[in-house]
Amino acid sequence: DIQMTQSPSSVSASIGDKVTITCRASQPFTNWLAWYQQKPGKAPQLLIYAESILKHGVPSRFSGSGSGTQFTLTISSLQPDDFATYYCLQTNTFPFTFGPGTTVD
Amino acid sequence: EVQLVESGGDLVQPGRSLRLFCAASGFNFGDSAMHWVRQVPGKGLEWVAGLGWNSETIAYADSVKGRFTISRDNANKTLFLQMDNLRTEDTALYYCVKDMNIVVVAAALHGFDVWGQGTLVAVSS
Repeated sequence: DIQMTQSPSSVSASIGDKVTITCRASQPFTNWLAWYQQKPGKAPQLLIYAESILKHGVPSRFSGSGSGTQFTLTISSLQPDDFATYYCLQTNTFPFTFGPGTTVD
Repeated sequence: EVQLVESGGDLVQPGRSLRLFCAASGFNFGDSAMHWVRQVPGKGLEWVAGLGWNSETIAYADSVKGRFTISRDNANKTLFLQMDNLRTEDTALYYCVKDMNIVVVAAALHGFDVWGQGTLVAVSS
């Protein structure tokens, strides 16, 4: 199984800050990584798939990159609606595995 | 409106069975792979199982393999999760999820683009 870790586990940030969240995999792969945002009491929402493709309607301040064992979600200028928990998900091998999450507060 | 509505969650004793349901609407259910993802309240997400559009591709998490069965009825736009021999560690909120892909295969694009609101399963004696 591919184990996913995320860093930091939480980050305190202010409006306008650039926020970077890293997801690391126990085995290298390319492309098959997605990022999800979850707000308290709500279901997760897809932000980015195939490592860097923004889902339609997701603001362009979100971006994804990476390959091998390190993947990054960047929020270029944090907005009030972005305070949430972010998860990565690998679909390179079964079982699909999520990272433990990063809370932006 | 694209929507997934889960039902069937309940409080059950360890070793018992439960069947979850997910009713889909607003999209062509038969053209989408579907998954179940669970979350212990306050904790992270765990992928449980996935099923391709024609039920020919299927995969399970190791933690549920041999105990849970995912299935679908495309005519009635419904996804199921049969959970047998339940354990206390199966306690979680279970989400029904639509995939952007039509099959459940590894090393492929999967975007879980529509989520239900979840149904709560509690396993306790």
